[in-house]
Amino acid sequence: QKEVEQNSGPLSVPEGAIASLNCTYSDRVSQSFFWYRQYSGKSPELIMSIYSNGDKEDGRFTAQLNKASQYVSLLIRDSQPSDSATYLCAVTPGGSDKLIFGTGTRLQVFP
Amino acid sequence: GAGVSQSPSNKVTEKGKDVELRCDPISGHTALYWYRQSLGQGLEFLIYFQGNSAPDKSGLPSDRFSAERTGGSVSTLTIQRTQQEDSAVYLCASSPGMAQETQYFGPGTRLLVL
Repeated sequence: QKEVEQNSGPLSVPEGAIASLNCTYSDRVSQSFFWYRQYSGKSPELIMSIYSNGDKEDGRFTAQLNKASQYVSLLIRDSQPSDSATYLCAVTPGGSDKLIFGTGTRLQVFP
Repeated sequence: GAGVSQSPSNKVTEKGKDVELRCDPISGHTALYWYRQSLGQGLEFLIYFQGNSAPDKSGLPSDRFSAERTGGSVSTLTIQRTQQEDSAVYLCASSPGMAQETQYFGPGTRLLVL
C-alpha cells in the first residue's frame, strides 16, 4: 500500500461546478496535511494546509480532514478553467520531518 | 523577497558523467529539502537538511547520490556516474524550520541523461 494515495484522474468538471479531490494516507499518526497545485512544467505551489479534523475554508477552496478514516479532501467551488492542473496531496508522517506526496490528481475544468 | 532559486534550469549530460545541481533557499529558512519528479509521477523525497542537524538521507536512491549544505544555506545535490533513469526534474524546497510549516519550492532543474 502506498503511503499517500490519490486517483490519477483526469477529473473533468464543467466551469462553475464543484471539483472534489480525494486523498488517503496509511500512517495513522500523520500530523500535517497539504494540498499543492502544479501546473504543467511548473513547480508545486501550496493551496491549503490542514492540521486538525474538520473543514478549513480559504476562498473557493475547502480542505477536509478525517483522521479516523485517514482521509483528506480538497473541494474547489465555482471551478474555473484556470484551476486545471495537477493537485498533489502531501502528508507529514508521525515522527518525520519530510513530506510524502501522492502521485497527484489531474483536474480539467472545461468551459 | 526572493524565492527559492535553482541552477541550472536544464542540464543535459551523457551517461556516466557526474552532475551538480544547486539550490539557494529563501533567506532565513533553516530547513531544505530535495525531491525528484519523474515524468507524470509524484514527488519523491530524496534528502532533508534542518539547521546543523545530521541530514535525513533516507530517500536517496543509491550511493551515487549525495548532497551537502554549506553554511546552513546553499545546497548542492551531486549525482555521480549518471544513468538514464536519473532523468527527472529535481526540485528543491525550503521552509522556516518546522516540518509543519509550508515548503516553498524552487523552479526545479530538468536533468536529461543521454
